[in-house]
Amino acid sequence: GQSLEQPSEVTAVEGAIVQINCTYQTSGFYGLSWYQQHDGGAPTFLSYNALDGLEETGRFSSFLSRSDSYGYLLLQELQMKDSASYFCAVRGQAGTALIFGKGTTLSVSS
Amino acid sequence: ETGVTQTPRHLVMGMTNKKSLKCEQHLGHNAMYWYKQSAKKPLELMFVYNFKEQTENNSVPSRFSPECPNSSHLFLHLHTLQPEDSALYLCASSSRGAAANSPLHFGNGTRLTVT
Repeated sequence: GQSLEQPSEVTAVEGAIVQINCTYQTSGFYGLSWYQQHDGGAPTFLSYNALDGLEETGRFSSFLSRSDSYGYLLLQELQMKDSASYFCAVRGQAGTALIFGKGTTLSVSS
Repeated sequence: ETGVTQTPRHLVMGMTNKKSLKCEQHLGHNAMYWYKQSAKKPLELMFVYNFKEQTENNSVPSRFSPECPNSSHLFLHLHTLQPEDSALYLCASSSRGAAANSPLHFGNGTRLTVT
């Protein structure tokens, strides 16, 4: 089967840096994605890693290590609006849809 | 506004009722999905449609019946549901088919309560 593990909750203060880890077990691997979901809202796409290394998009970066079946989402210069749930997702088999982790709830305080 | 519209936003139904959830995407995508989101559980993939053809059914009970009349519309027909089916039902779409690595665009979901 396929599974993803990520912490259930993370707390931080404004201006800080937070790293949300994700480990996965899949029969194959076709990329690791990250999505953000604010309370009551739709999940929105943040980033995608197919190859090892760091992808940077503004204050958010995502990292992948395929040999370790591990990735993380790095959020810098945290703002109150970053309080949300963050989901990692993988496509473990060719031609199939994304499978999601349980999500990490990030709470940013002032 | 997300480009993927789901109606209704909230639905309360009894176990003997029949209802339908509707999803419409205005993005020109050709893959559409139903996911179920329950508290403390991962988003669960239910169904996938590629170019109007169902390509995945993730062992979903037959009391959930999807319909995709065209690439822009997706329905989820509900009948004889159980209280444990209460959840947020999310519709999503993507371009270039489900197999490609294009991002999913989600609607705001339908909050379903089964009494």
